Amino acid sequence: GAGVSQSPRYKVTKRGQDVALRCDPISGHVSLYWYRQALGQGPEFLTYFNYEAQQDKSGLPNDRFSAERPEGSISTLTIQRTEQRDSAMYRCASSLRTDSGNTIYFGEGSWLTVV
Amino acid sequence: QQQVKQSPQSLIVQKGGISIINCAYENTAFDYFPWYQQFPGKGPALLIAIRPDVSEKKEGRFTISFNKSAKQFSLHIMDSQPGDSATYFCAASLDTGRRALTFGSGTRLQVQP
Repeated sequence: GAGVSQSPRYKVTKRGQDVALRCDPISGHVSLYWYRQALGQGPEFLTYFNYEAQQDKSGLPNDRFSAERPEGSISTLTIQRTEQRDSAMYRCASSLRTDSGNTIYFGEGSWLTVV
Repeated sequence: QQQVKQSPQSLIVQKGGISIINCAYENTAFDYFPWYQQFPGKGPALLIAIRPDVSEKKEGRFTISFNKSAKQFSLHIMDSQPGDSATYFCAASLDTGRRALTFGSGTRLQVQP
């Protein structure tokens, strides 16, 4: 597609439910990143993939968070047993290559509200 | 070691003025320093970026100044325009290991007509 596409754009869920956020990166982009952005703050790194391999998941807050990219394209970020503190904007991004200095393109995000 | 500190938190500039946003980092292994611009409701978009082997990079009205010894870099917006009103984030990344960007906390710029 023309840009990084995320769905759903808005999700309201009850505490304790599981949620899955989807990211469709720019076609051909090797690297895919997940960030979380609180209101008025900079994006906070969660995890990233090169192709289908998860290279770094050190930013995931706890074991309720997981991500996958099974075919090296679309990725899903899953949050199990959601808590109110999980409420935030979740942003996906992608870049063409894996080396540093590659432009990272962000999607418009999925806004998660846990009630 | 991964932190990037950004200031000011907010900035008001008159049209035609110079906007200056500063960032400082701790990890000397960082080798790529981009600035991102974010409009309300949109994702951050790359504005300009620099490597530590140069002290300045200019693209149109936007200039990055980089001071490797002080571990600081700044964004200068010359002839600021109301359309520049947005939130600006500095960031940094490593060449090896974690290559994902570490972002500053952002500066909300308002350019008054």
